[in-house]
Amino acid sequence: EVQLVESGGGLVKPGGSLRLSCAASGFIFNDAWMNWVRQAPGKGLEWVGRIKSKTDGGTTDYAAPVKGRFTVSRDDSRNTLSLQMNSLKSEDTAVYYCTTSYYDIWSGHYAGFDSWGQGTLVTVSS
Amino acid sequence: DIQMTQSPSSMSASVGDRVTITCRASQGIGNWLAWYQQKPGRAPQLLIYAASSLQSGVPSRFSGSGSGTDFTLTISSLQTEDFATYYCQESNSFTFGGGTEVEVK
Repeated sequence: EVQLVESGGGLVKPGGSLRLSCAASGFIFNDAWMNWVRQAPGKGLEWVGRIKSKTDGGTTDYAAPVKGRFTVSRDDSRNTLSLQMNSLKSEDTAVYYCTTSYYDIWSGHYAGFDSWGQGTLVTVSS
Repeated sequence: DIQMTQSPSSMSASVGDRVTITCRASQGIGNWLAWYQQKPGRAPQLLIYAASSLQSGVPSRFSGSGSGTDFTLTISSLQTEDFATYYCQESNSFTFGGGTEVEVK
């Protein structure tokens, strides 16, 4: 069974930093493309960033609102995904979810996010 | 940037109703569209990928259609457990629609 468990959320002041972690199990983490998605209180879903598997280059992509402030990384030896968040703003307040990218064998493309963690709440406030 | 617009933003329905939710992309996206269901306090769940492919384990009353810019999610006969918020997502840029809340009439 796929399990994704996020941790590291909490209260941080504007301008501060926080590091989130996602412990993965139940699948071959090395081969997975992984994402962070966030949801502000009472709002919709927003993709934050993605990291490809090392086999596929290990490259990262980010949403415009977080580019240059957030960094997605992975430790395949520990089956762990991380999100380093710097220069935090009040608008970064959200539940942050770790997700896997779903690989559609028929099309040969990644086609959605099929497994999600339970989320961890980040609150940016003075 | 691609924008994804869902309609309606909310709706009221009864058990047994046929429910249709629409998602429109600001430019053509082929069939790169996914649908998710989210219940209060829970993580989203993937329902449909590639516009019309049913994710494993998802009941067959859920179906998706469309290509290019216009897509629909249909629930053929709404069940109690289907009252939730539904999101579409463009699968390449990962942009989500604003969501459609399906409430009890």
